[in-house]
Amino acid sequence: GIQVEQSPPDLILQEGANSTLRCNFSDSVNNLQWFHQNPWGQLINLFYIPSGTKQNGRLSATTVATERYSLLYISSSQTTDSGVYFCAGWLSGGYNKLIFGAGTRLAVHP
Amino acid sequence: ETGVTQSPTHLIKTRGQQVTLRCSSQSGHNTVSWYQQALGQGPQFIFQYYREEENGRGNFPPRFSGLQFPNYSSELNVNALELDDSALYLCASSLGGTDTQYFGPGTRLTVL
Repeated sequence: GIQVEQSPPDLILQEGANSTLRCNFSDSVNNLQWFHQNPWGQLINLFYIPSGTKQNGRLSATTVATERYSLLYISSSQTTDSGVYFCAGWLSGGYNKLIFGAGTRLAVHP
Repeated sequence: ETGVTQSPTHLIKTRGQQVTLRCSSQSGHNTVSWYQQALGQGPQFIFQYYREEENGRGNFPPRFSGLQFPNYSSELNVNALELDDSALYLCASSLGGTDTQYFGPGTRLTVL
């Protein structure tokens, strides 16, 4: 089955709007991370968030490990927030393998 | 910037050739992971090296091989290139196997 699933697949926002991105992950996946990939392909890690809530400026993330989901909140979006947001988790069982979701493609228009 | 560097930035090869991609990890990091990202998809884990030993591998054939050096830099080698190998190849370094991954800018490989 799908181990890391993201929604929505695409999102279009006006500058200044808020949004919530969701990541569901299976029992075999842990130590969730959120990344932003800019239009040039650079992946930037946003949060390493196995559980709980973290905030960094206009971005915050919450992982509820017991219910196998994580949320990424973007407030007061800016055009520079555009790109693809990925969540990823490590496959458990002593075998190091990072599993990525398919991503949420965000376009923020002025 | 993450401090992880990759070379070259772009590469064009023909089917059947061999290619070597290089990655220098962030200072202090002893683990390097490699990923393949096809257009419009999420990165796919190829393998991970920890202190010069392979420490995990994804669903890639043996013609994808790697190496990690004593300074923790790493190489990805792909033999007998196929058209489907065209992708962005990313490396990431970390302090440990499942810690936060810091990605390099990637190498874009085109196989003709």
